[in-house]
Amino acid sequence: EAGVVQSPRYKIIEKKQPVAFWCNPISGHNTLYWYRQNLGQGPELLIRYENEEAVDDSQLPKDRFSAERLKGVDSTLKIQPAELGDSAVYLCASSLLGVHEQYFGPGTRLTVT
Amino acid sequence: AQSVTQLDSHVSVSEGTPVLLRCNYSSSYSPSLFWYVQHPNKGLQLLLKYTSAATLVKGINGFEAEFKKSETSFHLTKPSAHMSDAAEYFCVVSNTGFQKLVFGTGTRLLVSP
Repeated sequence: EAGVVQSPRYKIIEKKQPVAFWCNPISGHNTLYWYRQNLGQGPELLIRYENEEAVDDSQLPKDRFSAERLKGVDSTLKIQPAELGDSAVYLCASSLLGVHEQYFGPGTRLTVT
Repeated sequence: AQSVTQLDSHVSVSEGTPVLLRCNYSSSYSPSLFWYVQHPNKGLQLLLKYTSAATLVKGINGFEAEFKKSETSFHLTKPSAHMSDAAEYFCVVSNTGFQKLVFGTGTRLLVSP
């Protein structure tokens, strides 16, 4: 069974530029999560989807971050414009609805210069 | 609100000796508790989980953890460390009925030959 797929794995951009990350969850998982992991810290939830609906986006900085999950499968997280403080690893995870166990992708390491 | 405190940022052991990674939790409700492992440049992998069944939980790769409500602890142990165990370990709490995971800051396990 294929795991959670994320791309790109690495991204280097200059500040004020836009960037997008893509996630394909495990087949059949209707809950999808985006986390941000700063250096030396544990992941922090940015947004959680149940199917197409964002049910928890309280930690998403909405002035520059946006996310979508069209058709309830793949998801894209976008930052526009990026700031130096956005340098981090962005993790995508998925799970079955109502189940705590989450499966994580390898992450996208973003460096903003 | 729920939280976890990982008491050691780094733990160093020799191969073949026991491993102890300490975690204390805080939760207003009956918590679900997890340990995840993160190898360099790889996604987070679930080691084990506690969801109000047996207090001694066995996971993959010989790891186990014991839920102690009186001490609000969920320490991770392994009888004999292997070189491949060197990684970052995260203690995680989630309230029953919710799907929000709250991660600790991580413990880096170093294993020397």
